[in-house]
Amino acid sequence: AQTVTQSQPEMSVQEAETVTLSCTYDTSESNYYLFWYKQPPSRQMILVIRQEAYKQQNATENRFSVNFQKAAKSFSLKISDSQLGDTAMYFCAFPSTGANSKLTFGKGITLSVRP
Amino acid sequence: EAQVTQNPRYLITVTGKKLTVTCSQNMNHEYMSWYRQDPGLGLRQIYYSMNVEVTDKGDVPEGYKVSRKEKRNFPLILESPSPNQTSLYFCASSHGQGSLSGANVLTFGAGSRLTVL
Repeated sequence: AQTVTQSQPEMSVQEAETVTLSCTYDTSESNYYLFWYKQPPSRQMILVIRQEAYKQQNATENRFSVNFQKAAKSFSLKISDSQLGDTAMYFCAFPSTGANSKLTFGKGITLSVRP
Repeated sequence: EAQVTQNPRYLITVTGKKLTVTCSQNMNHEYMSWYRQDPGLGLRQIYYSMNVEVTDKGDVPEGYKVSRKEKRNFPLILESPSPNQTSLYFCASSHGQGSLSGANVLTFGAGSRLTVL
């Protein structure tokens, strides 16, 4: 079974600084996607970024980028130029294989951006 | 606007009083799913549906029922709610009957906060 581990329950960063959120996972699959979701105080689940495992290039979406290390099964999220609106809980997620599109979520990291 | 709509957004009820949380999507998605979110546990899947009249259990199905009579609707039914079902519930949908690689991105509803006293 796939597992997703986010070992840091909380992090804090100064506005305009860079922060990295860690995530590790376990799978026997060779081709898959990985996701980071953001959950602001509104509780809405928002897709931040996704990475295809067969692509060597790390995905980037504006200030958000990933450091994907397939061999190490590591998938960290880097937020550059942190903004107050980045304050949220962040979840790393890994889809199950087979017919069910279940996402297995990590426990989440609460990120606070300080003014 | 493409979206997943859940109702109610907030509900306080008492043990044993049957309730239904509705979920509707306007994107013609085949796949729909329910998750619950609890502190320190992340999101866990309750039930999912591959298409109309096709449903199956997720990781934490006990105490819940679902139905999929129409493609757009996927209600979550709590026949006899108990306090351990106090949680934040999310409905989600995506295209495709499966996701071997995870290419089909899930679209989430806004969440339903349920409190069972």
